[in-house]
Amino acid sequence: AQSVTQPDIHITVSEGASLELRCNYSYGATPYLFWYVQSPGQGLQLLLKYFSGDTLVQGIKGFEAEFKRSQSSFNLRKPSVHWSDAAEYFCAVGARTGGFKTIFGAGTRLFVKA
Amino acid sequence: DADVTQTPRNRITKTGKRIMLECSQTKGHDRMYWYRQDPGLGLRLIYYSFDVKDINKGEISDGYSVSRQAQAKFSLSLESAIPNQTALYFCATSDLTNTGELFFGEGSRLTVL
Repeated sequence: AQSVTQPDIHITVSEGASLELRCNYSYGATPYLFWYVQSPGQGLQLLLKYFSGDTLVQGIKGFEAEFKRSQSSFNLRKPSVHWSDAAEYFCAVGARTGGFKTIFGAGTRLFVKA
Repeated sequence: DADVTQTPRNRITKTGKRIMLECSQTKGHDRMYWYRQDPGLGLRLIYYSFDVKDINKGEISDGYSVSRQAQAKFSLSLESAIPNQTALYFCATSDLTNTGELFFGEGSRLTVL
């Protein structure tokens, strides 16, 4: 069965500093991988996704993520964080067979300090 | 207007009451989902529907039921609400291309006293 682990419940970074949010997944084959962001009082918005091909994917708002099959990881990165990036971030894995169901990690809340 | 609209956005109710959360979408997607969000648990799938005649249980369907009234409408019911159903509920849609991107409503916050 597929599963997603986000080891960090919350992270605090200074504005302008770099960011890396960790995500590890468990899935028997090559999965679909996603990062979503949830701003306070809002629904989730897709930041980026990986299906195949180049393992470094670019997303919206200056985010990128790298798929590492050997480590079963899909970490999210941003070189310079802005105060508006404060939100909760969810990594998710989708199955390619048996219908399409997406499993989410528990989320990492990002705090940005001035 | 939002592509995926949920009503109500907030609801406080009492134990034992019947509650319906409604979702409508203008994206033209065939697939619709109900998720529940709890702090520290992420989002968990309650039910999903791939078309009007197709309803499937997710990982936490006990205590919930759904109705797919039309392609654009998918409602979630709690027949007899209990306090541990207090949560933030999200409706989502996706299209048939099987890429899996989900489009979310803004959520319905339910409190059961």
